[in-house]
This record gives sequence, C-alpha cells and structure tokens, in this order.
Amino acid sequence: DAGITQSPRYKITETGRQVTLMCHQTWSHSYMFWYRQDLGHGLRLIYYSAAADITDKGEVPDGYVVSRSKTENFPLTLESATRSQTSVYFCASSDLEGGTGDGTQYFGPGTRLLVL
Amino acid sequence: AQSVTQLGSHVSVSEGALVLLRCNYSSSVPPYLFWYVQYPNQGLQLLLKYTSAATLVKGINGFEAEFKKSETSFHLTKPSAHMSDAAEYFCAVTSDRDTDKLIFGTGTRLQVFP
Repeated sequence: DAGITQSPRYKITETGRQVTLMCHQTWSHSYMFWYRQDLGHGLRLIYYSAAADITDKGEVPDGYVVSRSKTENFPLTLESATRSQTSVYFCASSDLEGGTGDGTQYFGPGTRLLVL
Repeated sequence: AQSVTQLGSHVSVSEGALVLLRCNYSSSVPPYLFWYVQYPNQGLQLLLKYTSAATLVKGINGFEAEFKKSETSFHLTKPSAHMSDAAEYFCAVTSDRDTDKLIFGTGTRLQVFP
C-alpha cells in the first residue's frame, strides 16, 4: 500500500560531500523520474528511466548520477554536492507500458536537501 | 517544443468565491493535459487529467477543467473556494517529442481568505 516513498525526507550536508537520495515504488511502474523544485522554476526534470538499466538525461542533469538496477528503485546521487543543489527533490513513477498509458505520473513526498 | 504557461503565479480568492486558474499550452497535436495540486510540504497529487475523451473533465475536491483546442487552454475552475483549497497548482502536458515525459508549468499559488 506504500506506493512511492522517498528517503531521507530531510537532509543537511556540506559542499563536496556525496549524497544519495532514495526512491522506491511498489507498483512495478516501468518509468521513474527525478525532479527538483525551486522557487520560480517549478519542476525541472533531472533524469528519468524507462526500465531497469535504462536511464536518460532530463533538463538539468549536471552534477547528478542515477542508476536503476531494479524496477522498484531509482536512487539519485549528488557526487559532489554544491550549494546550488539545495532544493526539494521529487521522485515520480508512471505506468506508460500498461494501465492507461497516458503519462500520468505519481509523486513521492519529496526530500528537502540543504547543502551548506 | 511543447510548453505550458500558467498565468498568475499567485491567485487570491475569498472563501465561497469562484476559483479560476489559467493554463495555456503550445502544441499542434492535442496532448494529454494534467492538473496537479501540491499542499505544503507534500508531493504532487493528481487533481484531474484530459486524455482526449470528454473535453470537460471533473476531478477531485470539486475541481473541473475544460479542454479548449481553439484556445489551446485547459483552465481549472471550482465554483466555490474552500479554505482547504489553499495550495500550489501545476498544469502539465505530455511532451510532443517524447510522450513519456511531462512538461510542467511554473505553478500558481492559491490563497483563500475567510
């Protein structure tokens, strides 16, 4: 019944540190997405994945790395965090291969990241 | 390329008044259109969607939206605002180049005054 979860919900880190944000979905959706939300910019796509072992860049991929070894997990790693990466990060999933196939995305609760 | 414009980053209404949040898209191909709502410190929740069936779409919490191809619009309305409607609302459209992705507007923050 969990749907899509993100961890941690809040994270404070320092410039230069590596940080990994986790995303897990229980629906077996084929597609998963990572967005960042910043004031004045709305939601911007960082990376997305069409299936396990298939990932692609979105609008703002620089400084981020993703992997998808299992359908249900889609971790986002900031290899060397910078202050400009302070943001709220949202994970989403979509059942484009089945269901209604209309691109509806279902969002996690978000991770608030502060880089000092 | 597909784009979405939400007119008005902030909208304020009195409780009981009509809510109208505007969304215009740019596309030569009728897309799928969505409205999402985000309450404070939460993720986005699907409010309603247009997928080429009825042009008037009803969603949760009394909201509805009408797809008007001639105006390339998908405005969100609610006849009578409630205090609990205060949130940020995002319009989104499927990308015409990559239909597996959504293009989001920058959002409209709705305030409801008693």
